[in-house]
Amino acid sequence: DQQVKQNSPSLSVQEGRISILNCDYTNSMFDYFLWYKKYPAEGPTFLISISSIKDKNEDGRFTVFLNKSAKHLSLHIVPSQPGDSAVYFCAASASRGGADGLTFGKGTHLIIQP
Amino acid sequence: GAGVSQSPSNKVTEKGKDVELRCDPISGHTALYWYRQRLGQGLEFLIYFQGNSAPDKSGLPSDRFSAERTGESVSTLTIQRTQQEDSAVYLCASSFGGQGGGYTFGSGTRLTVV
Repeated sequence: DQQVKQNSPSLSVQEGRISILNCDYTNSMFDYFLWYKKYPAEGPTFLISISSIKDKNEDGRFTVFLNKSAKHLSLHIVPSQPGDSAVYFCAASASRGGADGLTFGKGTHLIIQP
Repeated sequence: GAGVSQSPSNKVTEKGKDVELRCDPISGHTALYWYRQRLGQGLEFLIYFQGNSAPDKSGLPSDRFSAERTGESVSTLTIQRTQQEDSAVYLCASSFGGQGGGYTFGSGTRLTVV
């Protein structure tokens, strides 16, 4: 039973446009959410996070939105750049990533087209 | 070191053999995590160390899997009597005391069991 779901395996966006990556979760105990970015043959790198007490967190071109009632979060990248092409993982924690680690989705492969 | 180092980067082993994977975390990081990523899947949590104790081993898939950590440094993940379903990328991450956003991942060990 997948507790964190990324229903789009891939997404293609034109350079300069907005990329929107979606993530749904089922565990109501999750209180901390993160996005990681992964290039081939490298480990995931932390991108941005949000606590359940907020509904939005912004860092430069990246904004994460959290809708607790819908158990849904999204990552917006604007404007999209070629270097953003990577696999993006949504992750969630019920203890700020402590004893139970992070639960990851399967990832969405974002392709930025020139 | 500057980052999380994992060795070997690639390992091909015959079914039934034992393998040992190594992780050198960032100096000073007290928390260490092991994850596994099978082809087309998300990251699967295996085990979490706080210092050299492992309060959560629930993610280890079977008793063929074990992990140790020496103090707050090197960790080894051992898989005994490897099976083909063990083929995956094994990722190690470290952080300062379990704060989810602060995970730094290594590049992983790609294990192929033939």
